[in-house]
Amino acid sequence: EAGVAQSPRYKIIEKRQSVAFWCNPISGHATLYWYQQILGQGPKLLIQFQNNGVVDDSQLPKDRFSAERLKGVDSTLKIQPAKLEDSAVYLCASSLASGPYNEQFFGPGTRLTVL
Amino acid sequence: QKEVEQDPGPLSVPEGAIVSLNCTYSNSAFQYFMWYRQYSRKGPELLMYTYSSGNKEDGRFTAQVDKSSKYISLFIRDSQPSDSATYLCAMSAGFQKLVFGTGTRLLVSP
Repeated sequence: EAGVAQSPRYKIIEKRQSVAFWCNPISGHATLYWYQQILGQGPKLLIQFQNNGVVDDSQLPKDRFSAERLKGVDSTLKIQPAKLEDSAVYLCASSLASGPYNEQFFGPGTRLTVL
Repeated sequence: QKEVEQDPGPLSVPEGAIVSLNCTYSNSAFQYFMWYRQYSRKGPELLMYTYSSGNKEDGRFTAQVDKSSKYISLFIRDSQPSDSATYLCAMSAGFQKLVFGTGTRLLVSP
């Protein structure tokens, strides 16, 4: 079974530029998550999708971050404009459903450096 | 106060040692408790999952949950150099988002 795919693996940009990350979840997984993991910290949920719909985006900085999941499969996370404090690893995860507990499978992450 | 507290380490042990990793939490609604292992430049992978209180064993790994003390532990027996990684505790109240600890970096020397 193929895992969660993410691209690019690494990205370096200047502050105020824009950047986009792509995620392809495990086939058949209805729920998709985007996490931000700052160096030395645990992952923090940015947004959770159930199929096409947003379940939780309470911690997404909506003035600069946006995410979409068209057709309930792939997802894109965008930052515009980027700030220095956005430097982090952006992890995508997926799970079969969104019950009281469903194992989340993580991708390798995209490491973003904002200069 | 953070919802989940975890000592960042690093924790250095010799091969074969018993390792104890711990987290404390403040939200009494948490019922689902997980331990993830994260190797450098990789995503986290689930090691152990426990619902409510009690112990769970899987090979060299044992997870313990003490809800009365709001304290969870992961024990690794006969530690190996391949166990060197960052260990993240995570918990959820059910139908809620996972809340992660900061992770403890473990180094097992041959």
